[in-house]
Amino acid sequence: GIQVEQSPPDLILQEGANSTLRCNFSDSVNNLQWFHQNPWGQLINLFYIPSGTKQNGRLSATTVATERYSLLYISSSQTTDSGVYFCAVEEGYNQGGKLIFGQGTELSVKP
Amino acid sequence: DGGITQSPKYLFRKEGQNVTLSCEQNLNHDAMYWYRQDPGQGLRLIYYSQIVNDFQKGDIAEGYSVSREKKESFPLTVTSAQKNPTAFYLCASSIAGLLNEQFFGPGTRLTVL
Repeated sequence: GIQVEQSPPDLILQEGANSTLRCNFSDSVNNLQWFHQNPWGQLINLFYIPSGTKQNGRLSATTVATERYSLLYISSSQTTDSGVYFCAVEEGYNQGGKLIFGQGTELSVKP
Repeated sequence: DGGITQSPKYLFRKEGQNVTLSCEQNLNHDAMYWYRQDPGQGLRLIYYSQIVNDFQKGDIAEGYSVSREKKESFPLTVTSAQKNPTAFYLCASSIAGLLNEQFFGPGTRLTVL
């Protein structure tokens, strides 16, 4: 099956810094989502981005499907950005919408 | 308020007991999913359902069972056959079909003593 790798596994930033999180996947995908898991475990949808670029406030994401990677950019980081960021992909057709998750990037933003 | 609810938030059970986790959605989504998360790990799919009265096994279905009698509800039973049931369980839903965004409930933390 498809493999999803996220890097880096851990990241510590000073408040106000920028960061880039990467998601590599081993095969073509139908769907790619980025999530933020907050300290209470809730998964918050950030982007639904099978291809192209999207922006939402201080966050933006780019997926280059032909090269099998996606990037999540966080600018002017805040302490509330702390948590785990997951990339998840849906592979192939007729797979019922199953998402395959990466292992996550744990971000800690220090004041 | 539209959304996905899971109950209870925390659940403690003795080894050998079956336990049922609730998942309800009022988003009028056709598809529903159950995922399991272990500490420091990503999510893995247990079961999914694209339509009422139909469901399929995911990657780690052994020791679990589900039902889908209503569009809004997709309960998960963790049976005594599940060897390591202590985990964080998340339910999700989406519009059925291709290229659809999944949304997640708040999760249930199950601890088996």
